[in-house]
Amino acid sequence: ETGVTQTPRHLVMGMTNKKSLKCEQHLGHNAMYWYKQSAKKPLELMFVYSLEERVENNSVPSRFSPECPNSSHLFLHLHTLQPEDSALYLCASSQKGVTEAFFGQGTRLTVV
Amino acid sequence: AQKVTQAQTEISVVEKEDVTLDCVYETRDTTYYLFWYKQPPSGELVFLIRRNSFDEQNEISGRYSWNFQKSTSSFNFTITASQVVDSAVYFCALSEVTGAGSYQLTFGKGTKLSVIP
Repeated sequence: ETGVTQTPRHLVMGMTNKKSLKCEQHLGHNAMYWYKQSAKKPLELMFVYSLEERVENNSVPSRFSPECPNSSHLFLHLHTLQPEDSALYLCASSQKGVTEAFFGQGTRLTVV
Repeated sequence: AQKVTQAQTEISVVEKEDVTLDCVYETRDTTYYLFWYKQPPSGELVFLIRRNSFDEQNEISGRYSWNFQKSTSSFNFTITASQVVDSAVYFCALSEVTGAGSYQLTFGKGTKLSVIP
């Protein structure tokens, strides 16, 4: 069992669809993150949750809506996305006060 | 603002050659952490090393070695006797503290390493 698990691995959705990405960590960490990795940009931090409270929202459009119901689970709810939102979405977790983050394998999202 | 520059976009080497991946960073923090991550084709980012700003000792782990030089703001990564399994995208990253004690990583754009048999 990997430390950080993301589902689905691949997702194709239309611009009018609503879908959710799921992340689960089995490492006992208390901070979780969503990153976006697109073809020509560096990895971009989208959201940070620490102790289930959102502490960072890096100017992400409202069509992305995160949810952290407990310290082990993190969701990213998607609605009315644009084709430019197509990217690899990576979830990570870390322990508060510890610097390194551990990543899942990502969800490859294609918006058509 | 923090910044990480990986000037090499793609590198190709023949198996068993040594290769060095460059990383230059910018920060105003006096305490910071530097990282290298490996991203194989499967997509997962694999943590390789963390180095804090007060520890300039070079580190060796098997075929991997890291050279941290604060004077030039560089944190370079060398793979000795490269193997095909080393083929991946390698990211250098710099951390800063966000709210509530969590850390935000600023990544470089990555260097794609191809090791040819």
